[in-house]
Amino acid sequence: EIVMTQSPATLSVSPGERATLSCRASQSVTSSLAWYQQKPGQAPRLLIYGASTRATDIPARFSGSGSGTEFTLTISSLQSEDFAIYYCQQYISWPRTFGQGTKLEI
Amino acid sequence: QVQLVQSGAEVKKPGASVKVSCKTSGYTFTGYYMHWVRQAPGQGPEWMGWINPNSGVTKYAQKFQGRVTMTRDTSINTAYMELSSLNYDDSAVFYCAKDSLYFDPWGQGTPVTVSS
Repeated sequence: EIVMTQSPATLSVSPGERATLSCRASQSVTSSLAWYQQKPGQAPRLLIYGASTRATDIPARFSGSGSGTEFTLTISSLQSEDFAIYYCQQYISWPRTFGQGTKLEI
Repeated sequence: QVQLVQSGAEVKKPGASVKVSCKTSGYTFTGYYMHWVRQAPGQGPEWMGWINPNSGVTKYAQKFQGRVTMTRDTSINTAYMELSSLNYDDSAVFYCAKDSLYFDPWGQGTPVTVSS
């Protein structure tokens, strides 16, 4: 199975700052990579698919990049509602696998 | 809009089974696979398997083979996930999620607590 590794585990930033989250796959997933946001007590919400395409109603401050094995989620100017846990997921092969998450905190 | 509404929280004893439902609306239920995902406390999501609501064909993650059964009732646009032989490590939130290659949207989650 493809192992997804996210870094850092926790990222401390301030509102208005830029945040850069990383995700690495143990083998190439081409662009079959999604990012999800999860707030406490809520289900994950799709942010990005195809490594760089924003899902419906996702603000433009969220952007994704990368292909193959290295991916990045960038939040250009953090808002208070962005503090959450972010997960990457590959969907090129079975089983679908997720990273362990990056917690974005103030 | 697409909605997935899951059944409520469950408390089960070790060795028991739990069955979680996922009622859908806002799209053609038989047109999209449905996935089930487990998330243990403080952990990332873990894919359990999918069901094709049109045919009933399933695919399970190896880890859950023999313990999980996914079914559906097309007359009420609802998918089900039953997990048997529960142990303490199965205490988690279980989600259904509509397939679009990726998972979108997700149900609100069903917490399952395994406790003696």
